Amino acid sequence: AQKVTQAQTEISVVEKEDVTLDCVYETRDTTYYLFWYKQPPSGELVFLIRRNSFDEQNEISGRYSWNFQKSTSSFNFTITASQVVDSAVYFCALSEANYGQNFVFGPGTRLSVLP
Amino acid sequence: EAGVVQSPRYKIIEKKQPVAFWCNPISGHNTLYWYLQNLGQGPELLIRYENEEAVDDSQLPKDRFSAERLKGVDSTLKIQPAELGDSAVYLCASSLGSGRVSYNEQFFGPGTRLTVL
Repeated sequence: AQKVTQAQTEISVVEKEDVTLDCVYETRDTTYYLFWYKQPPSGELVFLIRRNSFDEQNEISGRYSWNFQKSTSSFNFTITASQVVDSAVYFCALSEANYGQNFVFGPGTRLSVLP
Repeated sequence: EAGVVQSPRYKIIEKKQPVAFWCNPISGHNTLYWYLQNLGQGPELLIRYENEEAVDDSQLPKDRFSAERLKGVDSTLKIQPAELGDSAVYLCASSLGSGRVSYNEQFFGPGTRLTVL
């Protein structure tokens, strides 16, 4: 069965620090998709990135970067020079092409960026 | 462009009462999802529609939960009767595309926070 683990329940950093949010997944499928979503205090989940299992290129978007490593089944998310507005709950999610549930979210990591 | 609209935003009911949530997806999005999110947890898929067809309802507790998307646009999720354990946030999302695999970006609504007393 597919599974997503986010071992860090809560993280607190001071503004301008870098922070990495970990995501480890389990799947028996060879084709799958990984996602990161942000849930600010307002409650609406916001899509950040999608990655398919055949594309291991790391990606950078402004202060955000993602490191996808199939060898360790990880898809980690780094925020550089964090800001107070980055405070939110961040979810990693997995969708398999051929097996398992349709779409599975991890339990989330609550990030607090202190001024 | 309007986002995913959900109503009501908050609902408080007594146990054993019925309750319904409404969702209007983004125009043109043929795939619609209902999720349940308990406090401190990630969303859990309840049902996914492609147009008016429920293509994945394996996680929907069918003894008390029902959903419909009659014209392939807006959707209603109902609980009857509600139990104390149903207190949670019910999220609706929509996306473009279709097919068995959910690989498209999903756009979420603000959710309905249900409290069952």
